[in-house]
Amino acid sequence: EAGVAQSPRYKIIEKRQSVAFWCNPISGHATLYWYQQILGQGPKLLIQFQNNGVVDDSQLPKDRFSAERLKGVDSTLKIQPAKLEDSAVYLCASSSIRDRGPDTQYFGPGTRLTVL
Amino acid sequence: DAKTTQPNSMESNEEEPVHLPCNHSTISGTDYIHWYRQLPSQGPEYVIHGLTSNVNNRMASLAIAEDRKSSTLILHRATLRDAAVYYCILRVTGGFKTIFGAGTRLFVKA
Repeated sequence: EAGVAQSPRYKIIEKRQSVAFWCNPISGHATLYWYQQILGQGPKLLIQFQNNGVVDDSQLPKDRFSAERLKGVDSTLKIQPAKLEDSAVYLCASSSIRDRGPDTQYFGPGTRLTVL
Repeated sequence: DAKTTQPNSMESNEEEPVHLPCNHSTISGTDYIHWYRQLPSQGPEYVIHGLTSNVNNRMASLAIAEDRKSSTLILHRATLRDAAVYYCILRVTGGFKTIFGAGTRLFVKA
């Protein structure tokens, strides 16, 4: 079974620029998550989708971050404009309630963002 | 949302068992206990989960206290490839707000 795909793997931008990350979840997984992981910390949930609807975006900085999940499959996370403190690894995960018990999440390799 | 507490780091010798503790004193009756691990430069990967009873799989064992306020992930024979950050989290089926703590960084010595 193919895993969660993310691109790009690495991105370097200047502050105030825009950036977008793409995620393709495991086929058939209804739930998709975006996490931010700052060096030395655990992942922090930014947004959770159920199909193409948002079920939790309480920790998403909505003044600069946006995310969408078109047709309930692929998702993009955008930052506009980026700040230095946005430097982190952005992880995408997906889950299916039918697989391995309650909402076991499968993570992609992440996108490492460096803001200069 | 219930949170978990883990030691910052632990050390083990190769080929020896490792017991990674997790406290979750505010766990609710519907919370499942999940363990994930994160190898360097990779996303977290699922290790094991349980609700009330102890669980075993090919990767590890999970021992859950009778009052469910703590659990222990057991790696029966640590290898160098087990060196990673281990996260204990609580998940409700269909629930939101998954909270990862800082996890336990496991060092394995040859």
